[in-house]
Amino acid sequence: GDSVTQMEGPVTLSEEAFLTINCTYTATGYPSLFWYVQYPGEGLQLLLKATKADDKGSNKGFEATYRKETTSFHLEKGSVQVSDSAVYFCALSDPLTGANSKLTFGKGITLSVRP
Amino acid sequence: DTGVSQDPRHKITKRGQNVTFRCDPISEHNRLYWYRQTLGQGPEFLTYFQNEAQLEKSRLLSDRFSAERPKGSFSTLEIQRTEQGDSAMYLCASSFGGGAGNEQFFGPGTRLTVL
Repeated sequence: GDSVTQMEGPVTLSEEAFLTINCTYTATGYPSLFWYVQYPGEGLQLLLKATKADDKGSNKGFEATYRKETTSFHLEKGSVQVSDSAVYFCALSDPLTGANSKLTFGKGITLSVRP
Repeated sequence: DTGVSQDPRHKITKRGQNVTFRCDPISEHNRLYWYRQTLGQGPEFLTYFQNEAQLEKSRLLSDRFSAERPKGSFSTLEIQRTEQGDSAMYLCASSFGGGAGNEQFFGPGTRLTVL
């Protein structure tokens, strides 16, 4: 079945450091890929998405490129801020496993950014 | 746009009791999803509605779980004869239209603790 694997956490960085959070996936078809973020005390919200191979999603300085050849969707940011401290979830939606567009999530990774 | 709301935000119950959660989606959204999230894990799909029709249920949704969405508006998730293993965060999400790339908007969740 479909699955998403995220790198183990937590991750602690200093402000202005470069961030990479790895995400790889297994899917039956050609999924859409997402990064969701959960800030402290808030609900999950979409950070960015990509719906086909080689697409790059971007938002708030974060980027991720849909790599079909490596089945990956790694999240990057060139300079993190304290306000980026949150839990980040990689997810996919596979049209071949149902038209309901249900999301399959990774375990999530906690990012803490120090001033 | 008031977003997806869930009620209650927290529920503590004793094993064997029944509990019911409510989700109010974004008003124009025709799709509604329930997910369950346990500590240290990503959300897992439970069930999905398109308008008032429940179109898919995960094998995670045992016979003790039932969900409804009367008139295609709000939804309820009931757990009968709760067990300690039911302790989790229950998330509701909604979206408009179909397609694997559609964004799902999440509510803040209901945290259930079964003593």
